[in-house]
Amino acid sequence: QVHLVQSGAEVQKPGASVKVSCKASGYTFTGHYIHWVRQAPGQGLEWMGWTNTNSNTAHYAQNFQDRVTMTRDSSISTAYMQLSRLTSDDTAVYYCARAFGGNAYYYFDYWGQGTLITVSS
Amino acid sequence: QSALTQPPSVSGSPGQSVTISCTGSTNDIAKYNHVSWYQQPPGTAPKLMIYEVSNRPSGVPDRFSGSKSGNTASLTISGLQAEDEGDYYCTSYTTSNTWVFGGGTKLSVL
Repeated sequence: QVHLVQSGAEVQKPGASVKVSCKASGYTFTGHYIHWVRQAPGQGLEWMGWTNTNSNTAHYAQNFQDRVTMTRDSSISTAYMQLSRLTSDDTAVYYCARAFGGNAYYYFDYWGQGTLITVSS
Repeated sequence: QSALTQPPSVSGSPGQSVTISCTGSTNDIAKYNHVSWYQQPPGTAPKLMIYEVSNRPSGVPDRFSGSKSGNTASLTISGLQAEDEGDYYCTSYTTSNTWVFGGGTKLSVL
């Protein structure tokens, strides 16, 4: 069965960076894109970008383009999302989600449990 | 890329039907059938309910159905049950090779 297990909650100071991991199991990791989605407290879902786990390339939403990096380590079936220059507006639950297949247009069929990132001085 | 437009809330009594709309543009919903819907109970990760406009994953009751006309997609839930309460989000692939979500709709079962 497919599982996505994310790293634990973190508290970061404004201006710092954070790196969230998403360990996949139960399927061929490089056969499916990984997307990252965040949800600020009481707010809706916001798509951040995707990682092509086969080629290790990524594509980001315009809102995050200059401060997000999405990568993967296929040897341990893990995807990463690093967000830099954090502000209080980045306080949110960050989710990884598996795409159904190996293309950016596939829907998200499995989700991680979410990682709460709190930005506070 | 602007967010897709959903009504903030809808409600219905048990057994009734409700429809949640999701309006986009010629760059997303109107162009592609890559539209999906997610249910999110409080404090949990989203769950896929409908994919590719109108397809149900295994395990999702057939009370849930999806459709699309032009730049608007819709999720209809018939025979409402208390367990259907929660937030619902639509999402669509876009011409920028990105995805965009709707603002979410809170479903209340009265």
